[in-house]
Amino acid sequence: AQSVAQPEDQVNVAEGNPLTVKCTYSVSGNPYLFWYVQYPNRGLQFLLKYITGDNLVKGSYGFEAEFNKSQTSFHLKKPSALVSDSALYFCAVRDPQAGTALIFGKGTTLSVSS
Amino acid sequence: GAVVSQHPSRVICKSGTSVKIECRSLDFQATTMFWYRQFPKKSLMLMATSNEGSKATYEQGVEKDKFLINHASLTLSTLTVTSAHPEDSSFYICSARDQRRENTEAFFGQGTRLTVV
Repeated sequence: AQSVAQPEDQVNVAEGNPLTVKCTYSVSGNPYLFWYVQYPNRGLQFLLKYITGDNLVKGSYGFEAEFNKSQTSFHLKKPSALVSDSALYFCAVRDPQAGTALIFGKGTTLSVSS
Repeated sequence: GAVVSQHPSRVICKSGTSVKIECRSLDFQATTMFWYRQFPKKSLMLMATSNEGSKATYEQGVEKDKFLINHASLTLSTLTVTSAHPEDSSFYICSARDQRRENTEAFFGQGTRLTVV
């Protein structure tokens, strides 16, 4: 069965510092991996995805993520955090062989202090 | 880019009544849409997969008679919460993907905050 783990409920960083939000996954085949961000009472906004190719993918708002197959991880990173990055972040996986629905991690709240 | 529109964004209803939530794909056709429920502790739970022209596929533990899904056209899926109870209060989010493009990401509606009083 597919699953996604986000081990941290909350990540706190100071503005200007680098940030990392962790994600590991379990999928039998080659996964499609995604990061989404959610602001209060809103839907999810797409940040970036890994389908194939370069392990380092760049997305919206300066975010990037690195696909690591041996560690089955897809951590989200940003070199310099902004207060406006404070939000709820979701990692998701889709197994193209098993179906089309996304399976989500539980989410990580990112809090960036000024 | 592709956009998914969900309506209403917020609804308050009395116990025992039914509420319909609409999800539209605005610039692509979606033979499949997805309905999620988001609980207060953040996680999104896939409720069902809505299939155009056929019955929805419900996840284990989701009552199909309580959460009626209709996908009557390639751009519209509806979720009706029937005989709503306070425990149905939640944030419901729909999602769709342009399936003509295998590698594309899913897009999400704005979500519907349902409060049953």
